[in-house]
Amino acid sequence: NAGVMQNPRHLVRRRGQEARLRCSPMKGHSHVYWYRQLPEEGLKFMVYLQKENIIDESGMPKERFSAEFPKEGPSILRIQQVVRGDSAAYFCASSPGRGSYEQYFGPGTRLTVT
Amino acid sequence: GENVEQHPSTLSVQEGDSAVIKCTYSDSASNYFPWYKQELGKGPQLIIDIRSNVGEKKDQRIAVTLNKTAKHFSLHITETQPEDSAVYFCAASTGSNDYKLSFGAGTTVTVRA
Repeated sequence: NAGVMQNPRHLVRRRGQEARLRCSPMKGHSHVYWYRQLPEEGLKFMVYLQKENIIDESGMPKERFSAEFPKEGPSILRIQQVVRGDSAAYFCASSPGRGSYEQYFGPGTRLTVT
Repeated sequence: GENVEQHPSTLSVQEGDSAVIKCTYSDSASNYFPWYKQELGKGPQLIIDIRSNVGEKKDQRIAVTLNKTAKHFSLHITETQPEDSAVYFCAASTGSNDYKLSFGAGTTVTVRA
């Protein structure tokens, strides 16, 4: 049973470009969470999605950030017009849902904005 | 929202000794407390968790204790080994309709051979 997959593992963007981060949950999992980890800090919640629904986006910056989890395909975290402060590791975690608390994390995407 | 504090930020122990990491949380509605281990360049790995209806849980060399009244929980690693060296994060969740995790800032554990 493959774990949570994220790609790309490393992404370099220039200021003003767009970044797209992809997350494929574990097989059988229908819930996805995105977290951001700044250097030397803990993880901060960004958004919680189920298939075709955003459940909680209270941790997402109001501008430039969006997320989706379509019926088919991976979850996408999209950052428009990136700035240097967006440089961080972005992790997604998946959960079976249906009252399950456990979250299993992917290896992360390390975004560097130059 | 939930605020989780974690101490110490760094911990160095001799191989074979025990390591203890402590966390406090602010939201009395929190009812799920996982611990994650993160190695350099990797994602966090769930190593043990506890729910609020349990006071203690053990899995081989690791154990977690929870004090709901004081709103704190701790991770105990016994007979530490070099491969236990990593960053450890505690987290808390209130469950209900949203299982998002609030994380502590992490503890860097170094096991000296």
